Amino acid sequence: GNSVTQMEGPVTLSEEAFLTINCTYTATGYPSLFWYVQYPGEGLQLLLKATKADDKGSNKGFEATYRKETTSFHLEKGSVQVSDSAVYFCALRVSNYQLIWGAGTKLIIKP
Amino acid sequence: DAGVIQSPRHEVTEMGQEVTLRCKPISGHDYLFWYRQTMMRGLELLIYFNNNVPIDDSGMPEDRFSAKMPNASFSTLKIQPSEPRDSAVYFCASSLGQGALTEAFFGQGTRLTVV
Repeated sequence: GNSVTQMEGPVTLSEEAFLTINCTYTATGYPSLFWYVQYPGEGLQLLLKATKADDKGSNKGFEATYRKETTSFHLEKGSVQVSDSAVYFCALRVSNYQLIWGAGTKLIIKP
Repeated sequence: DAGVIQSPRHEVTEMGQEVTLRCKPISGHDYLFWYRQTMMRGLELLIYFNNNVPIDDSGMPEDRFSAKMPNASFSTLKIQPSEPRDSAVYFCASSLGQGALTEAFFGQGTRLTVV
């Protein structure tokens, strides 16, 4: 079946640190991959996406590369800010099926 | 467009009462999703509609839950009777199509507390 596994949180970092949030997936077929972000008290919003192997999605300084060989889509940012504190969700979609969600990773950035 | 609009933002009710959550999707979107989010179970898809027709309600936890979409601009999620374990944040989301690149747009959620 299709599934998404994210690293458990919370992840606590100091401002300007390098961020990696791991995401691996299992899927039949060729999925598209997404990262959504949920700021406190808000709904989820799309952060970035990639549709095929070796594609790199990027937005707001965040990047993730679709790695088919390792079935991964790790989220990275070179220098985090306090305003990046949020919950990050990795998700996949195969064909026209609905999104399959990871459990979410809470990120806490300390000044 | 104002985005997906949910109401109320917060709801506190007593066990046994009926609760109705409301959602207005983005105009023109043909898919609507209801999700529940809790610390224990994370984000769960309850039901989704395509062109106002329920497509998959396998995530609806039990018969106490029901959802309707009488027209393209309005949907409700009803819990009757409510129980304390229904306490959660309920999100509505909409999208245009459901292709590989389709982005789902979420409302701000309704935080439900059943006491």
